[in-house]
Amino acid sequence: GENVEQHPSTLSVQEGDSAVIKCTYSDSASNYFPWYKQELGKRPQLIIDIRSNVGEKKDQRIAVTLNKTAKHFSLHITETQPEDSAVYFCAASLDSSYKLIFGSGTRLLVRP
Amino acid sequence: EAGVTQFPSHSVIEKGQTVTLRCDPISGHDNLYWYRRVMGKEIKFLLHFVKESKQDESGMPNNRFLAERTGGTYSTLKVQPAELEDSGVYFCASSYPPSGHNSGEQFFGPGTRLTVL
Repeated sequence: GENVEQHPSTLSVQEGDSAVIKCTYSDSASNYFPWYKQELGKRPQLIIDIRSNVGEKKDQRIAVTLNKTAKHFSLHITETQPEDSAVYFCAASLDSSYKLIFGSGTRLLVRP
Repeated sequence: EAGVTQFPSHSVIEKGQTVTLRCDPISGHDNLYWYRRVMGKEIKFLLHFVKESKQDESGMPNNRFLAERTGGTYSTLKVQPAELEDSGVYFCASSYPPSGHNSGEQFFGPGTRLTVL
């Protein structure tokens, strides 16, 4: 079955710097790759997703890149702000309506 | 639009007792999922309903867990009897099927934190 690995487990950056979180997956049949942000005590919320027919997707300060050949995908956050501090989870799936296989999460701390 | 709701938010029970968790999906969402996060590890899939039918229950750990979605609306997840390793946060999510009008995003509830002593 699918396995998703996520690195790093913790990441501390200075406000205004960029943050990059990387994930690898094992099942070449996976086609849908969402990223969820979970703030302390709150529910996971989708921040961006990408499908396998696209190599990159951007939404303001957030971007995701996908390399299907290498089975890698990454989350890039530019101009980080303290409110970006949270746990970020990557996931992989055959499609958005199928089960999501999550990575272990990255705790991001943005220092003011 | 109300989001996915879960009840209770917290539950503390003793080993051997029974607990029932409830999830109310977003109205109109045929897909309903249960996930669990154990002690700082990854969020793990438990099962997936499409309306009232179990589409995929490959993540259910054992027969102490029983999920139902009678009528295709809310769902319950019963753990009987509870063991120490069942402690964790149980998340419910719901979605429309993907179409030209929506991505099929899974919307998560706030979770139920279950502690088994």
